[in-house]
Amino acid sequence: NAGVTQTPKFQVLKTGQSMTLQCAQDMNHNSMYWYRQDPGMGLRLIYYSASEGTTDKGEVPNGYNVSRLNKREFSLRLESAAPSQTSVYFCASSDRRAADQPQHFGDGTRLSIL
Amino acid sequence: LAKTTQPISMDSYEGQEVNITCSHNNIATNDYITWYQQFPSQGPRFIIQGYKTKVTNEVASLFIPADRKSSTLSLPRVSLSDTAVYYCLVGDDSSASKIIFGSGTRLSIRP
Repeated sequence: NAGVTQTPKFQVLKTGQSMTLQCAQDMNHNSMYWYRQDPGMGLRLIYYSASEGTTDKGEVPNGYNVSRLNKREFSLRLESAAPSQTSVYFCASSDRRAADQPQHFGDGTRLSIL
Repeated sequence: LAKTTQPISMDSYEGQEVNITCSHNNIATNDYITWYQQFPSQGPRFIIQGYKTKVTNEVASLFIPADRKSSTLSLPRVSLSDTAVYYCLVGDDSSASKIIFGSGTRLSIRP
């Protein structure tokens, strides 16, 4: 009954370092999403993948890249981390790419950039 | 994607019914209304979704008036464990790229 699994749970980076956040879902969902959540704020969509092999930008894509490795896995990469990217990152999945589809979220990766 | 407006925070007591209202004046014909709950250090969790009138599940009820310009999430007999942030989202099957959670409503339940 894992749902959406994110690794790692915590990470501290230095400015300029690179990092890949991993996400995997076991619900056979077609669509996957990456969000960031800054303190006291709502979630903002970084990238999403409507289906295996496709990715699209969300509201705040700058500084990030994504890879939909297969139907289960969707990774988020920071090529050159900046302090402004300190945040909690959530991965989610849904049956279809749509705002009316309930999304299932992981428990997040807490990332600090020094 | 229709913009939503919710109260920033609400307080209540254990055993009370709590109603959180969300305004979405520009809701489109095909839009659904979805509510999520988020506990500290966890990802949001889907609570309920509706299109019109009333929807009820084991956790909450969702009331949507005929004009659909607002919706009310109703939590019956809340407990301390209902302390969380609640988000209202509005959208249809064409707007996944513009999903906006907003700041939500921070609900605090007291003994």
